[in-house]
Amino acid sequence: DAGVIQSPRHEVTEMGQEVTLRCKPISGHDYLFWYRQTMMRGLELLIYFNNNVPIDDSGMPEDRFSAKMPNASFSTLKIQPSEPRDSAVYFCASNFGPNEKLFFGSGTQLSVL
Amino acid sequence: AQRVTQPEKLLSVFKGAPVELKCNYSYSGSPELFWYVQYSRQRLQLLLRHISRESIKGFTADLNKGETSFHLKKPFAQEEDSAMYYCALKVAYKYIFGTGTRLKVLA
Repeated sequence: DAGVIQSPRHEVTEMGQEVTLRCKPISGHDYLFWYRQTMMRGLELLIYFNNNVPIDDSGMPEDRFSAKMPNASFSTLKIQPSEPRDSAVYFCASNFGPNEKLFFGSGTQLSVL
Repeated sequence: AQRVTQPEKLLSVFKGAPVELKCNYSYSGSPELFWYVQYSRQRLQLLLRHISRESIKGFTADLNKGETSFHLKKPFAQEEDSAMYYCALKVAYKYIFGTGTRLKVLA
């Protein structure tokens, strides 16, 4: 198993552009989490899904951020329009509910110029 | 509100010295706490969980409900312990992480 797969690994874009980050969780996992990592705030939970349904999106910073999970094997995090303060590493993680261990992807390093 | 606090952004120790990475939490319920670690060029991964009361790579962590702490300790640091360490609190199925502590073990 390749683990949680995120793409792209790096994204450089200009302010105002739309950015889409992608995540493929581990097969069989029913929870998926999106986190943002910054030096100042550490790992912030943005949103999480259970069985493809968004459960808690209270961490999504603004309406510019949206996330979807159309099926059990794919999720996207979209930022539109992007701003320089969105620059961060975005992680996707998944797990199987009763098992507490989170499996993280390699992350997407986003730079908004 | 639920919160995890890691007061040190950077901790530098010499090889062979004891290590303690601090973690305090704020939660009114019964806490479930974890330590995750990210080594250079590797994914963030679980190091240990308080329920297991285990020692992983020589690290231990004891939950102190009175002080609302879950500090990570190792008696003798090794160079390969250099990494980013995150303390996490599980609330229902949500994992709340602290800001992380970068541990540097000097030769």
